[in-house]
Amino acid sequence: KAGVTQTPRYLIKTRGQQVTLSCSPISGHRSVSWYQQTPGQGLQFLFEYFSETQRNKGNFPGRFSGRQFSNSRSEMNVSTLELGDSALYLCASSPQTGRAEAFFGQGTRLTVV
Amino acid sequence: GENVEQHPSTLSVQEGDSAVIKCTYSDSASNYFPWYKQELGKGPQLIIDIRSNVGEKKDQRIAVTLNKTAKHFSLHITETQPEDSAVYFCAASTDDKIIFGKGTRLHILP
Repeated sequence: KAGVTQTPRYLIKTRGQQVTLSCSPISGHRSVSWYQQTPGQGLQFLFEYFSETQRNKGNFPGRFSGRQFSNSRSEMNVSTLELGDSALYLCASSPQTGRAEAFFGQGTRLTVV
Repeated sequence: GENVEQHPSTLSVQEGDSAVIKCTYSDSASNYFPWYKQELGKGPQLIIDIRSNVGEKKDQRIAVTLNKTAKHFSLHITETQPEDSAVYFCAASTDDKIIFGKGTRLHILP
């Protein structure tokens, strides 16, 4: 069974640009969650999608958005990038929301210069 | 809001000794408590979990205990080895959401 695939693995962007990150969950998993990880801050929850609907949202500005497609693949978008957006962005897939094991991808390392 | 507190943030133990990481949670509706290990350059990996109807669970050198009354749960690693060096995250989950602790960086000293 293939794991969670995130692309690209690394990105370098300039302040003010926008970026789109992609996540392909494990086959059959309908829940995809996104997290931002920075040193010392742990895993900051961005949002969760289940069956193409956003179920939960973390405390991030509107520049961070996401969507989920009918095949459960998900994308997150960050517009008007700021230096502070530099982080590891992790995607996790689960067969259902909450209570279920979350399987993480390797993440996308975003650097904003 | 709901949160999960994890201690310590950094832990150094001699190889062969035991390591204990503790978490407390605030949402009494939490019923699932996974632990993740994150090695350098990788995403977190589930290593053990416990559900609210169980007080303790063991898998080889790793064990987790849960005290629902006190809203505490802990990870115990015995006979630590160099490959145990990593960042460990606890989490508490309800039916709707999962909240992670801030992580513990575990160093295994030779």
